[in-house]
Amino acid sequence: KQEVTQIPAALSVPEGENLVLNCSFTDSAIYNLQWFRQDPGKGLTSLLLIQSSQREQTSGRLNASLDKSSGRSTLYIAASQPGDSATYLCAVRGRAASGGSYIPTFGRGTSLIVHP
Amino acid sequence: DADVTQTPRNRITKTGKRIMLECSQTKGHDRMYWYRQDPGLGLRLIYYSFDVKDINKGEISDGYSVSRQAQAKFSLSLESAIPNQTALYFCATSDKRDSKNIQYFGAGTRLSVL
Repeated sequence: KQEVTQIPAALSVPEGENLVLNCSFTDSAIYNLQWFRQDPGKGLTSLLLIQSSQREQTSGRLNASLDKSSGRSTLYIAASQPGDSATYLCAVRGRAASGGSYIPTFGRGTSLIVHP
Repeated sequence: DADVTQTPRNRITKTGKRIMLECSQTKGHDRMYWYRQDPGLGLRLIYYSFDVKDINKGEISDGYSVSRQAQAKFSLSLESAIPNQTALYFCATSDKRDSKNIQYFGAGTRLSVL
C-alpha cells in the first residue's frame, strides 16, 4: 500500500524567503505526482503535476521536482508572499485495484504561513 | 458557476440520522470521487465511480453508500451518522480521456455529527 509523507507538517516564515516542501512516498511505481494548494475551508487547487517520466515542472515562482528512485518530490517556492499562506498537499498516483485506473494517495499536507 | 458543485456547503446533524451529500458537475467528466478530510490528515477516498454503472469502494467505505444517478451527479449517503464521521467531504471529477487523470475538486461540504 502506498504511503505518502509530507514534511514539515507546518511552516511559518517571513515574507521573501525561499521555501522547500517535501513529499516522500513508499512505492516508487507511480504514474504521476501532483501538488495541490488548499485554502482554509476551500477545495483543492492543482498547482503542478509531474509525470513519472519527468524530473521537474515549473509554474511561475513554483518548481516541483521528482526523484522516483528515492521516492521523493520537493515543491520549491521562490520569494514567498503572504498570499502563499495555505496548506500544500502532495498526491501520488499508482494503479487502482480495478486495473487500468489511477487513484491518488494524498499526504497530510504542509500548513504554510508567510507573515509580512 | 463552479464546475463541480457540492450541496450543502455546511450541515449539522444528529447521531443516527440519515443524510445525503450531493455533487454535480458540468465538466462532462465520466469519473467522480468522494473523499473525506480530517484535521491534520490528507484526503481519504470513500468511493469512486468511473461511469454511471460503475461504483467502487475506496479506502474507507464502511458506513457510507453512494449513488451515481447520472453522469453529472454522484451522491454520498451516511445511512446512520455517527460523530466520527464529522469531517470535510470533497467531491472530485476527472476525464477518462485525460492520460494524466487530473482531478477537479468541489469546494467541500463541512459535516458535523452531534
